[in-house]
Amino acid sequence: SQELEQSPQSLIVQEGKNLTINCTSSKTLYGLYWYKQKYGEGLIFLMMLQKGGEEKSHEKITAKLDEKKQQSSLHITASQPSHAGIYLCGADIGGSQGNLIFGKGTKLSVKP
Amino acid sequence: EPEVTQTPSHQVTQMGQEVILRCVPISNHLYFYWYRQILGQKVEFLVSFYNNEISEKSEIFDDQFSVERPDGSNFTLKIRSTKLEDSAMYFCAGRDYSSYEQYFGPGTRLTVT
Repeated sequence: SQELEQSPQSLIVQEGKNLTINCTSSKTLYGLYWYKQKYGEGLIFLMMLQKGGEEKSHEKITAKLDEKKQQSSLHITASQPSHAGIYLCGADIGGSQGNLIFGKGTKLSVKP
Repeated sequence: EPEVTQTPSHQVTQMGQEVILRCVPISNHLYFYWYRQILGQKVEFLVSFYNNEISEKSEIFDDQFSVERPDGSNFTLKIRSTKLEDSAMYFCAGRDYSSYEQYFGPGTRLTVT
């Protein structure tokens, strides 16, 4: 079965620093999703990538999907306390209706 | 901006009882999903629903589970006889026809005692 591995599991950064979170799949991805979750709350949609080499940005967050469509990175520039939370990558593994599998998440803490 | 809503936010029930979790998807969404997240674990797919029928379901979605879209706005997940291991956060999600972007609701925390 397909698995998504996220790294690191947790990350503590100083406010203003840049950081990167990675998501690796054992198989080719049909779509790669990034969500942010605050503890005990819902998933907030950040970005979705579908094409190999695709890159999207929203405010200070940039996500990339590699050419082989098996690895994605999420990069935050000049981190702020509001970026703190759990970042989840999800993948469409080719089910007929686009159901997703998820990684375990990366817990990000930003120290002011 | 339209949002997925879920009720209740927290439900406590006794083992063996039936529960119904409710979701109001975004109005132009046509594909609907239920996922669950047991505390400290991954988000897991349960079921997808399109055109008033189940499209796909996972191994978790056994005979104790059912879904329904009773009217044009609500989407429900029913667990007939709850077990302790059903305790989890349940998320409803949806997407429209042309985009694969899935939007999640805030979740219902189900506690089975």
